[in-house]
This record gives sequence, C-alpha cells and structure tokens, in this order.
Amino acid sequence: LAKTTQPISMDSYEGQEVNITCSHNNIATNDYITWYQQFPSQGPRFIIQGYKTKVTNEVASLFIPADRKSSTLSLPRVSLSDTAVYYCLVGDREDNFNKFYFGSGTKLNVKP
Amino acid sequence: DSGVTQTPKHLITATGQRVTLRCSPRSGDLSVYWYQQSLDQGLQFLIHYYNGEERAKGNILERFSAQQFPDLHSELNLSSLELGDSALYFCASSVGSSGGQYSYEQYFGPGTRLTVT
Repeated sequence: LAKTTQPISMDSYEGQEVNITCSHNNIATNDYITWYQQFPSQGPRFIIQGYKTKVTNEVASLFIPADRKSSTLSLPRVSLSDTAVYYCLVGDREDNFNKFYFGSGTKLNVKP
Repeated sequence: DSGVTQTPKHLITATGQRVTLRCSPRSGDLSVYWYQQSLDQGLQFLIHYYNGEERAKGNILERFSAQQFPDLHSELNLSSLELGDSALYFCASSVGSSGGQYSYEQYFGPGTRLTVT
C-alpha cells in the first residue's frame, strides 16, 4: 500500500520555479509532511517540514491545503545543482508512527 | 556533513557470507533507522531503534538483524548473503519522538555500498 504518490519525473529549466506535488490521502492527524532531496549515491538530505498551511525556509516553500491530503514543494529559481530525486514523506499511523515510507520520489531534471 | 557516520564505505563479499554494517548517530540523537536502496530504487525502510529498543520493522528479511547499543551506535547484520542484497545501506538518526505530534527530520549518513558477488 503506497503511502504517498508523486510524479515519477519532472523537467525544468534554470531560473524557473518548480512545484512538485505529493498526494497523501491517508495522512493521520499527528503526521508531519517532510521533504527530502537525494543526489546519486548520497544519503537523502532534509529540505523542509510542515504540518499545515505554508512553511518557507531559505531553500524551499511547502504548501499544505486545509484537508492535508496533498502537499506541494516549491523550489524557486532552480539551478542545475537542483537536479536530484525529491521524496515526500509521512508517518505510518498503523504502527505508532515509527515506520517511514519514502515512496518512489520525483526525479527532477534541470536543464540549462 | 550530517554528523552520522557509517562504516565501511564499501564492502565486497561473496554469496553466503555474513557482514556487519556500523552506524554512529548524531550526538544526542536517540533514534536510528536503517534503509536499503537498490539500484534505481527508492529507499526501503528496514528497521527503527529508539534508545536501544526496537521500535518498528519494515521490509527487513529474516536473514537481516540489527541492534542498538548503550552508546547508541547501531549495527546491521546481513547473513547468508544473496546477489540481490547488493545495495546501498543507509543509516539515519533523529532526536526521536515520545508522544504528541511527530517530527520526521532524519539525518542520513553517507551509506555503505554492499556488493555481493
């Protein structure tokens, strides 16, 4: 049973804003939504986390609608170095939130 | 640098053998997670330890086991290795949660690349 659903891949050009949407229909009341970035052969790196509405940090913004069944990671003015796989993550309420499912991720390809 | 260390970086071994992967979490983190990532695949959650106790198991084979020691470092033991066990194995740590709302900020190590021949 997939916990999150994301597009498999996306293409963008340098300088554009990129929005990656994640669907999480079964999100639990206590779940946070977390996004990670992974470069080839490296461990994932935390990008941003939110519970509701909007969260912004120096790297990205995270938009979460009121029903929390989806979320959108927004990367402003991407560069070639943003080419990576982006994972959306929520907890597993069936096991007391101790399991984590990263899903298949979205492979973002930024072109010059 | 995430603060999480993993050894060894690379490991090449033969089928049927047993190996141990080691992870040292960030200072102060009580939770340790192990993940497997095969070629071109997503991260598969294996197991979670919190302060020495097993908290959850994911898709971990019976041939695999793990433990977290009193000093909070963790080891993942893989036995009777098969070709299909070749993968990157990541360890991650976090502060952990004890109730209420949950934060899932995990810090990942550089991984151990296991090659089974």
